[in-house]
Amino acid sequence: AQSVTQLDSQVPVFEEAPVELRCNYSSSVSVYLFWYVQYPNQGLQLLLKYLSGSTLVKGINGFEAEFNKSQTSFHLRKPSVHISDTAEYFCAVTEDGNKLVFGAGTILRVKS
Amino acid sequence: GAVVSQHPSRVICKSGTSVKIECRSLDFQATTMFWYRQFPKKSLMLMATSNEGSKATYEQGVEKDKFLINHASLTLSTLTVTSAHPEDSSFYICSARPLGTAKYGYTFGSGTRLTVV
Repeated sequence: AQSVTQLDSQVPVFEEAPVELRCNYSSSVSVYLFWYVQYPNQGLQLLLKYLSGSTLVKGINGFEAEFNKSQTSFHLRKPSVHISDTAEYFCAVTEDGNKLVFGAGTILRVKS
Repeated sequence: GAVVSQHPSRVICKSGTSVKIECRSLDFQATTMFWYRQFPKKSLMLMATSNEGSKATYEQGVEKDKFLINHASLTLSTLTVTSAHPEDSSFYICSARPLGTAKYGYTFGSGTRLTVV
């Protein structure tokens, strides 16, 4: 069965510093991977997704992620964060294109 | 782009009453919609997959008689929490996948905060 582990529950970082949010997945078959952002009391907004092709995926708001099959990872990165990036970030995986399995989430706190 | 509208955004109801939450795809058709529940400081848990014109598929441990799902058209799915109790208080989020587009294009609604008192 597929599962997703987000290794950090909270990541504090200063404004304009780089950040990496870690995500590892477990699956016996090929998967499709997603990162979503959630602001308080709101739904989820897609940041980026990996379906196939280039392992480096660029998304919105300056975020990117790299799919590493050998390490079963899909870490999210941003070279310089802003206060407005403060939110909760979810990594998700699907094997069949139907059921999305989410990680526990990582709260990114950007400090000035 | 694909937009999913979820209504209401917040609802407070008395214990024992029922609450209906609507999920609409505004600018696309969706044969499949998904209902999630999010506990405080927790991740999203898939409750059920809603299929237009047929019965919903519930995840293990989700009471189908408690959480009634109806997907009567290609643009509307509803979740009714029946005989609500305080433990049903949660954040409920729907998502939809546009018909005929990339298979993995999920769009989420803005969520419904349910408080049962």
